[in-house]
Amino acid sequence: NAGVIQTPRHKVTGKGQEATLWCEPISGHSAVFWYRQTIVQGLEFLTYFRNQAPIDDSGMPKERFSAQMPNQSHSTLKIQSTQPQDSAVYLCASSLGDWGGYAEQFFGPGTRLTVL
Amino acid sequence: GDSVTQTEGLVTLTEGLPVMLNCTYQTIYSNPFLFWYVHYLNESPRLLLKSSTDNKRTEHQGFHATLHKSSSSFHLQKSSAQLSDSALYYCALTRNSGTYQRFGTGTKLQVVP
Repeated sequence: NAGVIQTPRHKVTGKGQEATLWCEPISGHSAVFWYRQTIVQGLEFLTYFRNQAPIDDSGMPKERFSAQMPNQSHSTLKIQSTQPQDSAVYLCASSLGDWGGYAEQFFGPGTRLTVL
Repeated sequence: GDSVTQTEGLVTLTEGLPVMLNCTYQTIYSNPFLFWYVHYLNESPRLLLKSSTDNKRTEHQGFHATLHKSSSSFHLQKSSAQLSDSALYYCALTRNSGTYQRFGTGTKLQVVP
């Protein structure tokens, strides 16, 4: 079991450019989560898929952020027109999707995005 | 909405002293699930403890925590800090409805000789 895979591990973009981050959840996990990690905010929820369907994107900045899960083996987080304040570590996590909420989340190593 | 409040910022402890990292939460739901995750440098965050049972101590890897619904708290404790405990610790909350986990801002624990 390779765990949650995230690529790339590091990405540097110029202000205004687009960034696409990839996540491959653990096989068999039906829930996928995206978080943004910063020193100030800690782990900030962005969006959540269950069985590939978007469930809750209440944490996503609406204008420039979007996420998709086209199949059960990967999810993408796209940031258009990146801004310096988007610089953070973006973490993807997956879980077995226990509807009771008592589900351990398994995190990937994260993608460190730096916007110059 | 739901929220989690943790001990702010950096906690520096001398090896051998007890550890206590505070976590309090707010939710309107009567059966929340509380979690502690640990994030070591250059690793992925991983689950350390979890609980949904009021007043029951849960333990793992020398750490323990007890969910107290009366005070909305889930403090992380360890009797004796080790250098290897240095990491970022997150408390998280989820409702009893299979939704996402809401994390606190994290507490960085630094254990020094």
